[in-house]
Amino acid sequence: GEDVEQSLFLSVREGDSSVINCTYTDSSSTYLYWYKQEPGAGLQLLTYIFSNMDMKQDQRLTVLLNKKDKHLSLRIADTQTGDSAIYFCAEILPSVYSTLTFGKGTMLLVSP
Amino acid sequence: EPEVTQTPSHQVTQMGQEVILRCVPISNHLYFYWYRQILGQKVEFLVSFYNNEISEKSEIFDDQFSVERPDGSNFTLKIRSTKLEDSAMYFCASSRQANSPLHFGNGTRLTVT
Repeated sequence: GEDVEQSLFLSVREGDSSVINCTYTDSSSTYLYWYKQEPGAGLQLLTYIFSNMDMKQDQRLTVLLNKKDKHLSLRIADTQTGDSAIYFCAEILPSVYSTLTFGKGTMLLVSP
Repeated sequence: EPEVTQTPSHQVTQMGQEVILRCVPISNHLYFYWYRQILGQKVEFLVSFYNNEISEKSEIFDDQFSVERPDGSNFTLKIRSTKLEDSAMYFCASSRQANSPLHFGNGTRLTVT
């Protein structure tokens, strides 16, 4: 089956690190994505990782992938108030090309 | 940076009316998609489109829905006879290749009254 699960809410203080977690059930996923949605806005691609990688770093963002546990995480270093948004984890399965399956999203609230 | 653009940003329509949601994908992208997000729920796949035909569609994409690429730049989603449950945010997306990252537009909020 295919289902992506995320915790619904995370609150951090400005300057702290944020870690948003995601689990997926289909081990045949090829790519895993993180999208950001600010209030009233669209889905902004933040970063993605191919399933044969363990880690990807892009400036303040670090993605960790544990294929054995089907666990994906997004770490945001030095979190800023502008990082407050909903973060969606999404996977692509090899059987349906480029059809993304999204989690429900994690609302990140960054307080000053 | 090139963007996917969608118009209108908000559409209000009466139940039973036809609506057309418009999208301009990124110009060198070949694959086009529609997703929707009912308030408080997950973003759901509707349809993918490549080489002027539908390549995949979900069970949501029934006979009331259709897509078209009427010219070299626009990609439209038509809902023939809207229902209350069609109220949602509709996102258009495009990608360069089949397994490339999808780039989404800002969405059209459709409200059916």
